[in-house]
Amino acid sequence: DQQVKQNSPSLSVQEGRISILNCDYTNSMFDYFLWYKKYPAEGPTFLISISSIKDKNEDGRFTVFLNKSAKHLSLHIVPSQPGDSAVYFCAAGVYGNKLVFGAGTILRVKS
Amino acid sequence: DGGITQSPKYLFRKEGQNVTLSCEQNLNHDAMYWYRQDPGQGLRLIYYSQIVNDFQKGDIAEGYSVSREKKESFPLTVTSAQKNPTAFYLCASIHRGDTGWGTEAFFGQGTRLTVV
Repeated sequence: DQQVKQNSPSLSVQEGRISILNCDYTNSMFDYFLWYKKYPAEGPTFLISISSIKDKNEDGRFTVFLNKSAKHLSLHIVPSQPGDSAVYFCAAGVYGNKLVFGAGTILRVKS
Repeated sequence: DGGITQSPKYLFRKEGQNVTLSCEQNLNHDAMYWYRQDPGQGLRLIYYSQIVNDFQKGDIAEGYSVSREKKESFPLTVTSAQKNPTAFYLCASIHRGDTGWGTEAFFGQGTRLTVV
């Protein structure tokens, strides 16, 4: 049972444009959601999070939107840079309990 | 510097052998997690622990075992019962502060296990 789904395996975007990565979840008990960036053979690095009581959180070029009624969240990267090319994982958790990850989306930013 | 350390970075194992992956953190975090990454499957949860001497199975616990005798350490043993152990293994931890659980999971650099 995949509780967190990232339905797009890959995304290609031109430098300077917006990258939008999507994530859907099934468990309405999740308290918070996170986005991680990962390079091959390295541990994921944290990008941004959002609590279930909010609908938007911004940090520099990164904005996460949460639509609880649709059980959907998205990560917007504006403007996209070549260094943003990586695998992006969406994760959802219950405080102090399970933390579940999606399958990841490969982002390629072309210069 | 505070952090979470996994060792070794690369590990080779013969079929039928047990092997233990190390995960140590000096962040004073309460919760620790083990994930496995396979191509196209993201990070799948093997085991997690919220407190010393307690742990819970994740989604793919079969063939694995863990212990949490110390807050700083959460070793993962890949047993001979694990049918397809070749993968990239990641350990993570989350803090519990005075105001409640944190949300950011800090990850180690991973261990690549290969069965030969």
